[in-house]
Amino acid sequence: DAKTTQPTSMDCAEGRAANLPCNHSTISGNEYVYWYRQIHSQGPQYIIHGLKNNETNEMASLIITEDRKSSTLILPHATLRDTAVYYCIVRVVWGYSTLTFGKGTMLLVSP
Amino acid sequence: SQTIHQWPATLVQPVGSPLSLECTVEGTSNPNLYWYRQAAGRGLQLLFYSVGIGQISSEVPQNLSASRPQDRQFILSSKKLLLSDSGFYLCAWSFSGPNGGLNTEAFFGQGTRLTVV
Repeated sequence: DAKTTQPTSMDCAEGRAANLPCNHSTISGNEYVYWYRQIHSQGPQYIIHGLKNNETNEMASLIITEDRKSSTLILPHATLRDTAVYYCIVRVVWGYSTLTFGKGTMLLVSP
Repeated sequence: SQTIHQWPATLVQPVGSPLSLECTVEGTSNPNLYWYRQAAGRGLQLLFYSVGIGQISSEVPQNLSASRPQDRQFILSSKKLLLSDSGFYLCAWSFSGPNGGLNTEAFFGQGTRLTVV
């Protein structure tokens, strides 16, 4: 699976949009971009995933660049409960590919 | 709906003692099962995964072992704990993907915080 690069930490004011970037310049055509988050002392929670089109669900939006070498997770109206470590993961969908978690981005949402 | 149960939530064990952490999944059949560990200040590390009863794959050599005696039961064990085994242990499951691959989103339990003293 391709490697991802994320900033170590980010700050966001409550109510504002949080935009979390992820670089995956070596992504291949059959690899999806997945986002998980982990609130302190809890198990990771799946957020969203996509291949090349932008995706949106009740939690977030995922914007993938046209060349697929980077993506941005958008939390449109961040709340204090969104404070967590956010992991960007690239993996193939077909075959035996497990989730490989890096160190992620620590997002701190402040009042 | 599917649920995953992992226990205990916290555990303090002396060095050299055995370990057994249990994870069960409800509401689905033939899930893929995983054990992850997160050491303090570090990312999640995959330890084991299983695509079926009795089928265990190890990602890293270590002092731990895993077993899957039943379809929805995954056990993490150690005969003698080391200080370095301390960490946050997470069990996860995913649906079996095409060809049985490990290729869908995973759902995690709440974790067990193990402290070896």
